[in-house]
Amino acid sequence: SQQGEEDPQALSIQEGENATMNCSYKTSINNLQWYRQNSGRGLVHLILIRSNEREKHSGRLRVTLDTSKKSSSLLITASRAADTASYFCATVYQTGANNLFFGTGTRLTVIP
Amino acid sequence: EAQVTQNPRYLITVTGKKLTVTCSQNMNHEYMSWYRQDPGLGLRQIYYSMNVEVTDKGDVPEGYKVSRKEKRNFPLILESPSPNQTSLYFCASSLRGDTHNQPQHFGDGTRLSIL
Repeated sequence: SQQGEEDPQALSIQEGENATMNCSYKTSINNLQWYRQNSGRGLVHLILIRSNEREKHSGRLRVTLDTSKKSSSLLITASRAADTASYFCATVYQTGANNLFFGTGTRLTVIP
Repeated sequence: EAQVTQNPRYLITVTGKKLTVTCSQNMNHEYMSWYRQDPGLGLRQIYYSMNVEVTDKGDVPEGYKVSRKEKRNFPLILESPSPNQTSLYFCASSLRGDTHNQPQHFGDGTRLSIL
């Protein structure tokens, strides 16, 4: 099965700084999605970027996608303590069902 | 409120004692899915359902069963649980299963401990 690899596994920053997380995947995709998971809770969808898109923004989030390198990055600007969570990338194949294949996640800690 | 509801949230049980984790969504979604989350492994798909009476295996289906008799419900059944099924389980849904570019909505998870 395809799974993304995320880098770094853990990231600790001060409030107000930017946080960047990276995701690499193995095969051609239809889209890539980023999810957030607060400790002990379910995943919440953040943003979806299609394979023909290169960059997408949503509030303080910026996602890039480089299909030639099979990689994506999630940038959170002006981080807040409330951004502390685990962040996962997930890919959807070009064909077949709308199944998600998850990376192992990045644990972000924002220090007030 | 649109949501995916799982029950129970926590369960400690013993090897071999059949259990069912229920999942219900109120968004009229066609697609539903079960995942397990283990440290260092991310989320892995167990089973998914494209619609009523249509189910298919994910990456780690061994030891699990599912059914989809109604659109809103997608229970996960462990007929004879074993300790290696101790995990955090998530149910998710999306509007369609045959259309990509749709986010999935997740339940809050069920933490299973099998002794």
